[in-house]
Amino acid sequence: GESVGLHLPTLSVQEGDNSIINCAYSNSASDYFIWYKQESGKGPQFIIDIRSNMDKRQGQRVTVLLNKTVKHLSLQIAATQPGDSAVYFCAENEYETSYDKVIFGPGTSLSVIP
Amino acid sequence: EADIYQTPRYLVIGTGKKITLECSQTMGHDKMYWYQQDPGMELHLIHYSYGVNSTEKGDLSSESTVSRIRTEHFPLTLESARPSHTSQYLCASGSGLYGYTFGSGTRLTVV
Repeated sequence: GESVGLHLPTLSVQEGDNSIINCAYSNSASDYFIWYKQESGKGPQFIIDIRSNMDKRQGQRVTVLLNKTVKHLSLQIAATQPGDSAVYFCAENEYETSYDKVIFGPGTSLSVIP
Repeated sequence: EADIYQTPRYLVIGTGKKITLECSQTMGHDKMYWYQQDPGMELHLIHYSYGVNSTEKGDLSSESTVSRIRTEHFPLTLESARPSHTSQYLCASGSGLYGYTFGSGTRLTVV
């Protein structure tokens, strides 16, 4: 079929190193952000979220940083493992004022080198 | 494990055939969505629903149609499949505020 959009950027990381995946979002009014992980042959899975009144949130081995000044979001994965190999999507949502529609970023393909 | 189910997982069908992709969720979510995704590419919203009898077109123009007669069921139909419809179709439900739950997708190939 006809492809729409850009091919995903890729990131290769050595097993055990930390990974940083970056995302620029478009809507300055977005107030909620989510990172999703999509493994091959599966649908995206929720990893971690952050509200616009925060600039950092930590989960298990993952940290999300939000910089509203430059509309930038990052996902940090500590001690990257082979199971972290996947495509990672950031998503933004203007929940309070819009009709609750999530906008997905283009995604980054993470490859973990054993 | 996600409580949203898509069938079939894979479908190969001839040009001109009518097909319906099924999506069901058991979480009682009012909001459901269909996304189209080519391999290694972005997600594009093609349809969404905020509840029974509510359907809207998404950002990416699509020749498919949807219906929402029951809360748990959100099928997508292609009246006449074409090779350009070859893609992966992902169904999701939930509120944007708490994150969507996605199904495993239907990979459609039209020959």
